Amino acid sequence: AQKVTQAQTEISVVEKEDVTLDCVYETRDTTYYLFWYKQPPSGELVFLIRRNSFDEQNEISGRYSWNFQKSTSSFNFTITASQVVDSAVYFCALSEGAGDYKLSFGAGTTVTVRA
Amino acid sequence: DVKVTQSSRYLVKRTGEKVFLECVQDMDHENMFWYRQDPGLGLRLIYFSYDVKMKEKGDIPEGYSVSREKKERFSLILESASTNQTSMYLCASSLLATKNIQYFGAGTRLSVL
Repeated sequence: AQKVTQAQTEISVVEKEDVTLDCVYETRDTTYYLFWYKQPPSGELVFLIRRNSFDEQNEISGRYSWNFQKSTSSFNFTITASQVVDSAVYFCALSEGAGDYKLSFGAGTTVTVRA
Repeated sequence: DVKVTQSSRYLVKRTGEKVFLECVQDMDHENMFWYRQDPGLGLRLIYFSYDVKMKEKGDIPEGYSVSREKKERFSLILESASTNQTSMYLCASSLLATKNIQYFGAGTRLSVL
């Protein structure tokens, strides 16, 4: 069964629009970690954020913000005032348990920002 | 900065060939991983290693093997390449202390003809 679901396959926006990427996860563990990675056209996945299951505070980093809601098992990612450089594939991932270091990735969402 | 280097960006091989994909990291990370990335499937873990000469199967190990003789180097081996192994292969590493933050290489796009 898919542990991480990214229902949006592709999103296309015009520069300066906001874009929200959805991520829904499934786990029975009480301790787990959620991640977002960015994969630009160069191919290398870039780590963006890690959030543990005990910290439901939303986080903002520049134009990026994350909304973690355990009640709906979601960890959504918003890019505010998008730029062409934000065009990439974005992956949500889950690491279950306190001692596990494997990641389960979603299928990814391709974001295209048009000038 | 962490540097994970994969030896080739693009590789074309024939069915039945033995293929080696090499990955080197320069940050003394204990853990190393091999994934394959296919459209619509995200990244799927093939094998990982948490120490020299140690390895564990991931979700899709069939048709692959790995080797870790030195801490900094993790090799993925396709014993007899098949067309269904055409894919993007990504290597990653992580530090034991921050074990689930993985750092990735740029990937090797392998085509098996």
